[in-house]
Amino acid sequence: GQQVMQIPQYQHVQEGEDFTTYCNSSTTLSNIQWYKQRPGGHPVFLIQLVKSGEVKKQKRLTFQFGEAKKNSSLHITATQTTDVGTYFCAGDNYGQNFVFGPGTRLSVLP
Amino acid sequence: EAQVTQNPRYLITVTGKKLTVTCSQNMNHEYMSWYRQDPGLGLRQIYYSMNVEVTDKGDVPEGYKVSRKEKRNFPLILESPSPNQTSLYFCASSYGNEQFFGPGTRLTVL
Repeated sequence: GQQVMQIPQYQHVQEGEDFTTYCNSSTTLSNIQWYKQRPGGHPVFLIQLVKSGEVKKQKRLTFQFGEAKKNSSLHITATQTTDVGTYFCAGDNYGQNFVFGPGTRLSVLP
Repeated sequence: EAQVTQNPRYLITVTGKKLTVTCSQNMNHEYMSWYRQDPGLGLRQIYYSMNVEVTDKGDVPEGYKVSRKEKRNFPLILESPSPNQTSLYFCASSYGNEQFFGPGTRLTVL
């Protein structure tokens, strides 16, 4: 079945440093979504990418969808303590069965 | 307020004692889904429903049942819970692909 991997599993950064998490699917995706989960909270939708090679920005966050629609990345510029949490990608391979990656847990040291 | 609610939020039970976790959404969403979250494994989809009376298996359906008799409710049923079903459970609903998650139910099966 479809598998979605994410690296790194954990990332510790100093406040102000940049952060990137990578997501790779074993199959071509129709779209990819990114979610953020704060400690003790529930996942919250951040964005969806649909087109091959698509790049979207939300303030300090930049999301990319690969040309082959099998990989994606999330980059945070100049991290803040409010960025702490686990970031998940989720792929949909043309059905309605979403497959989440294991997540990247981000810690930001003040 | 648009939301997804789950009950109970916490439950400790014993092996074999049937239980139901309720999920309700007030956004008139057609798509609803159940996930379990375990450390290092991310969110894994248990069952999903694209509309009333339409349900499909996700990646980890064994030991679970669901029903979708009305649009707003999507209960998760564990007929005979086992310790390996100890987990954090999330219900989600969506219109389009943005999923809205409930607050989670932490289940412990002794």
